[in-house]
Amino acid sequence: NAGVTQTPKFRVLKTGQSMTLLCAQDMNHEYMYWYRQDPGMGLRLIHYSVGEGTTAKGEVPDGYNVSRLKKQNFLLGLESAAPSQTSVYFCASSYSKVGVKDTQYFGPGTRLTVL
Amino acid sequence: GEDVEQSLFLSVREGDSSVINCTYTDSSSTYLYWYKQEPGAGLQLLTYIFSNMDMKQDQRLTVLLNKKDKHLSLRIADTQTGDSAIYFCAERGYGQNFVFGPGTRLSVLP
Repeated sequence: NAGVTQTPKFRVLKTGQSMTLLCAQDMNHEYMYWYRQDPGMGLRLIHYSVGEGTTAKGEVPDGYNVSRLKKQNFLLGLESAAPSQTSVYFCASSYSKVGVKDTQYFGPGTRLTVL
Repeated sequence: GEDVEQSLFLSVREGDSSVINCTYTDSSSTYLYWYKQEPGAGLQLLTYIFSNMDMKQDQRLTVLLNKKDKHLSLRIADTQTGDSAIYFCAERGYGQNFVFGPGTRLSVLP
């Protein structure tokens, strides 16, 4: 049982390049989330998914796209990277978001630098 | 919109108690959480409290909730060097997404 995994762990991009971050979970969770973490700002929700084939916008969705083609995977895409997207990206999953114990399980993060 | 605030830094000596404070604005918050993030790792749930409780104790951890003032605190008794980490306060309403605070970096001095 690996929990939530993310690939890659580190990446450096040039402005305008594209990339996809992969998140995978093996807990059969319905809900998956992508956050970015910036110093002094906590975690901000980019996009989330409430089930296979569904996605929804979070607090800071601009410049990102997501897809949830399989229940266990949630992909975050940057079509044209900008320096403002330099951040640490965390994926999380949860069984639901209804009960108090339906907390989120986090991956180890992806550190992205855009030059 | 909802907002969660925390002080950014806290230093304590090993063996002392640490108290990390958090305030939130959403009066409909139903669940409040404390997460711990160690260097290079994701967030791990430490403890949570339901909004109709005012205290919860779990070994060295004590969570106090003042719903009237929208104030949440985490007390760590007998703080150890292994407690050095960033601690995030988070809240959510029933069926809503999480809102995280900026995190408090706890440094434990020998």
